[in-house]
Order: sequence, then C-alpha cells, then structure tokens
Amino acid sequence: NAGVTQTPKFRILKIGQSMTLQCTQDMNHNYMYWYRQDPGMGLKLIYYSVGAGITDKGEVPNGYNVSRSTTEDFPLRLELAAPSQTSVYFCASSYQGGYSNQPQHFGDGTRLSIL
Amino acid sequence: AQKITQTQPGMFVQEKEAVTLDCTYDTSDPSYGLFWYKQPSSGEMIFLIYQGSYDQQNATEGRYSLNFQKARKSANLVISASQLGDSAMYFCAMREGGSGTYKYIFGTGTRLKVLA
Repeated sequence: NAGVTQTPKFRILKIGQSMTLQCTQDMNHNYMYWYRQDPGMGLKLIYYSVGAGITDKGEVPNGYNVSRSTTEDFPLRLELAAPSQTSVYFCASSYQGGYSNQPQHFGDGTRLSIL
Repeated sequence: AQKITQTQPGMFVQEKEAVTLDCTYDTSDPSYGLFWYKQPSSGEMIFLIYQGSYDQQNATEGRYSLNFQKARKSANLVISASQLGDSAMYFCAMREGGSGTYKYIFGTGTRLKVLA
C-alpha cells in the first residue's frame, strides 16, 4: 500500500525557475493538503482540496498554485521561485477531512532549495 | 482565530521514564479534533493519537495517552516507559470544522531527547 507519494524527494532550483511538486495518493481520500515546513518550525498550510475540482487557499498561498483534476493527484506549482520558498514540502490526505477520527496521512516530503 | 501552542521547544527524559509534552489550543468551534504526530530525524510525519472534542474519555494508544482537559483547553501527550526510539519532534495539531471546510493547524513542536 503506497499511501501518499511525493516526487521528487530533493530539488535545487535557481531563482526565477518554476517547477511542479507531484503528489498522488491511492487511498481514495477526497481531502488533500500541501504544507511547508521551515527549519525548526511546524507545518504551515499552503493549499488544500476537499475534492476533485475544488481547491482553497491556506495560510501561506502566495507564490504557489494547485490543481485537482482527479481524486488521486494534487500537484503544487511554484512559479518564479524565490529564496523564501526554500523549505520542506509535505503533501497529505485524509478521509472526509473532518468530523471523524481519521488522521492525515503524509508523504515523505520534498526538500527544496532555491539558490 | 485558532491557535495551537506548544511551549516546550525541547525536553529530555531518561529511558524507561514517563514524559508529558504540553499542548494548549484555542478555538471557538465546539466541534474539533486534536492530533499528535511524531517526526523522527528521517523527516516523515507519523500519526500517534487522536482526541475528539466530544470524547468522554482520554485517548490511549499503546504507550501514548492524551491528557485532555477541555475546560483548560489543553491536550497533553503522555509517553510512558520512554524508549530511545522516541527521540523525535512531536507536533500537536487541531482540525477545524464547520462551514464545510476542514483545515488543520500545527503547533511549533517539541523536540524530545531520550537519554540512555
């Protein structure tokens, strides 16, 4: 059971470049999330989705875009990468997302450096 | 506004002893869920335990238990019989509900070091 799969695991970008962080889950969860974790800090929500075709901003959405065309996939797009976006990015999914005891399932993270 | 506070940036505990990691929260929503996650040095996030706002009893999962004091808005994690493998970052998180949206907010974490 793969769970939540993120690719790539590591990436170095130059300032101004763009890239897409991939996230896919095979648990048929309809809720998916993107977080960033800066060194020594907790997780901050970038975007989330409650189902295919539906996305919403989290706490720190600036500089990012998402799409959710299928239940399984929730890619995160960085346009015009900036050093402030150097972080570890986590994708997560959950069943129904709330009013239940189902936790979020996390991918292993993508470590991104912008130089 | 929702908020999760973990006031202990770092904790030490002797192997085989119990340790309590503090978490306080603030929400006006009567329905919410509280989660604890472990993040070892390898970086993955591991779910440990859940407590719902309407649960009458404190949650337990093996060596993990949650000391839930609703009136004080605290949800402390208790790890009994600490093991060296418990050394990690621990995050408290709260799930927001209502208005058809579901978001989680995380605390800043507590780094636990278990001493041999």
